[in-house]
Amino acid sequence: EVQLVESGGGLVQPGRSLKLSCAASGFTFSNYGMHWIRQAPTKGLEWVASISPSGGSTYYRDSVKGRFTISRDNAKSTLYLQMDSLRSEDTATYYCATNYFDYWGQGVMVTVSS
Amino acid sequence: DVVLTQTPPTLLATIGQSVSISCRSSQSLLHSNGNTYLNWLLQRTGQSPQPLIYLVSKLESGVPNRFSGSGSGTDFTLKISGVEAEDLGVYYCMQFTHSLTFGSGTKLEIK
Repeated sequence: EVQLVESGGGLVQPGRSLKLSCAASGFTFSNYGMHWIRQAPTKGLEWVASISPSGGSTYYRDSVKGRFTISRDNAKSTLYLQMDSLRSEDTATYYCATNYFDYWGQGVMVTVSS
Repeated sequence: DVVLTQTPPTLLATIGQSVSISCRSSQSLLHSNGNTYLNWLLQRTGQSPQPLIYLVSKLESGVPNRFSGSGSGTDFTLKISGVEAEDLGVYYCMQFTHSLTFGSGTKLEIK
């Protein structure tokens, strides 16, 4: 059974950092690209970042470029999102999802507030 | 960025009624490899999105066949043939032919 389990969320002050993790199981993680998608409270879904199976290629939405870093550890079957210089507008539930969006995690909440 | 316009924003249906949701793209979603990367998702309240349909019309495993998808190019439709109570939630179309964008959602409510 495929499982994606996010962790690392919480309350953080503006300008600070947070690192999210997404632990994958039930499939060969190293064969698949992965994505982070977020959803601000009461809002729709928004793509954040994507990474290739090897980790050699990464892609970001403009509003997080230079602040967020997506990475992966294929030996640990884990996806990461390092979020620096956080802003109030980054407040959202963050989901990891598989390459073709056929599996999603349960989501982790990030709140950026002083 | 590709903009996906979903209509209607809200849908009120009775059990057993058939309903359709439209998703229109600001540009063709036909990829150079011949695939059209248009998916449909359902997000029930308090839950993560659940995939329903991929590549316009292919049903994800375990999804009831009352759900169907159709369309091409820039115009796509999700149809539910006989709404059931468990179908309530917000439906999103999404595309990843050109980067990745989501529609604004259609909230299905049951009368």
